Amino acid sequence: AQSVTQLDSQVPVFEEAPVELRCNYSSSVSVYLFWYVQYPNQGLQLLLKYLSGSTLVESINGFEAEFNKSQTSFHLRKPSVHISDTAEYFCAVSLLSGSRLTFGEGTQLTVNP
Amino acid sequence: AAGVIQSPRHLIKEKRETATLKCYPIPRHDTVYWYQQGPGQDPQFLISFYEKMQSDKGSIPDRFSAQQFSDYHSELNMSSLELGDSALYFCASSLGSGLGQNRYEQYFGPGTRLTVT
Repeated sequence: AQSVTQLDSQVPVFEEAPVELRCNYSSSVSVYLFWYVQYPNQGLQLLLKYLSGSTLVESINGFEAEFNKSQTSFHLRKPSVHISDTAEYFCAVSLLSGSRLTFGEGTQLTVNP
Repeated sequence: AAGVIQSPRHLIKEKRETATLKCYPIPRHDTVYWYQQGPGQDPQFLISFYEKMQSDKGSIPDRFSAQQFSDYHSELNMSSLELGDSALYFCASSLGSGLGQNRYEQYFGPGTRLTVT
């Protein structure tokens, strides 16, 4: 079975600072990797995904994540955060197209002015 | 663009009562997933349906049942409710039969917050 570990439960940063949210996964087979963002009292929104190809994937709002197979990691980064980035971020994996998502415990990113 | 619709958004029930949660997937999506998110926890997969057939089953209690109808909407029926069932219940949909990368993406609804007292 696959599992996901998010190494930081809370990450406080100042506005315009860089940030990295760490995610490691465990699986005996190839997986697809996702980052979801959850704003307070809202549903989960897909931020970015890695399926195949280039190991560096980017979102439209400046986030990027790099798939590292040897380290089984999929860390999320942003070079300069905004207060509006304050949210809970979940790393997730799935084994196949259309299969269940297994989530990490989540990382609360808080951006302070 | 149309999103996943869940109703009701909030539900308060007493112990031992029953509850029905509804999910309306994005038009043309044929796959529905249910997840449960307890307070301060990550979402846990419950069950999924593809073309009205159960496609996968996770940690769903025997007191819960679900189905997908001919119009692809889904209902999660919960009986003999317990205090521990209080959670946010998410429905997600995807185009499982689609081509290309979109079939890997699950789109989540806003969730139904169930409170059992």
